[in-house]
Amino acid sequence: DAMVIQNPRYQVTQFGKPVTLSCSQTLNHNVMYWYQQKSSQAPKLLFHYYDKDFNNEADTPDNFQSRRPNTSFCFLDIRSPGLGDAAMYLCATSVGDLNTEAFFGQGTRLTVV
Amino acid sequence: RKEVEQDPGPFNVPEGATVAFNCTYSNSASQSFFWYRQDCRKEPKLLMSVYSSGNEDGRFTAQLNRASQYISLLIRDSKLSDSATYLCVVFSGGYNKLIFGAGTRLAVHP
Repeated sequence: DAMVIQNPRYQVTQFGKPVTLSCSQTLNHNVMYWYQQKSSQAPKLLFHYYDKDFNNEADTPDNFQSRRPNTSFCFLDIRSPGLGDAAMYLCATSVGDLNTEAFFGQGTRLTVV
Repeated sequence: RKEVEQDPGPFNVPEGATVAFNCTYSNSASQSFFWYRQDCRKEPKLLMSVYSSGNEDGRFTAQLNRASQYISLLIRDSKLSDSATYLCVVFSGGYNKLIFGAGTRLAVHP
């Protein structure tokens, strides 16, 4: 059974039209991460939550926002998607302690038209 | 300087070959280390954790050298199914951040 679920798997949005990607987990993990991965590049950390504490990466554009209303759910909001935001968006969770792996969802592939 | 750097790929090897990937990290306070495997257009999946004493899982051996801030992955007797991108991942406990290297692509051919 999937433990980290991302919806939708594929999302097409118009240039400038706000879009929300969702992630849910059944692992009760403390930490939830959002990564952006473009073709042939490493997953780039956008931000993460430890419980309710939000940690934004310094180079994450303001266009990207996140919400974590409870332990199980985390959302990625892109306020005004540009063509350069087309990518795979990966959600991951971890316990947050040392030597624990991160569990990834299957990702949402975002296309901006 | 990138936080996590890996050997550039691709590595093209024949079946049965032994291949080694290297990874360096810049933050000396990093606490945990992992190798993930990512198949084309799929999410990364944990291949193995890397411990200070080194660890082995079948054909895969991982080593950590904290003094040199260096991690390695050795794959013996390569299989066609090993073809994938291998990502070096570093965990900084103080910030609960998982940082990925750019990945090394491996292509195993008959």
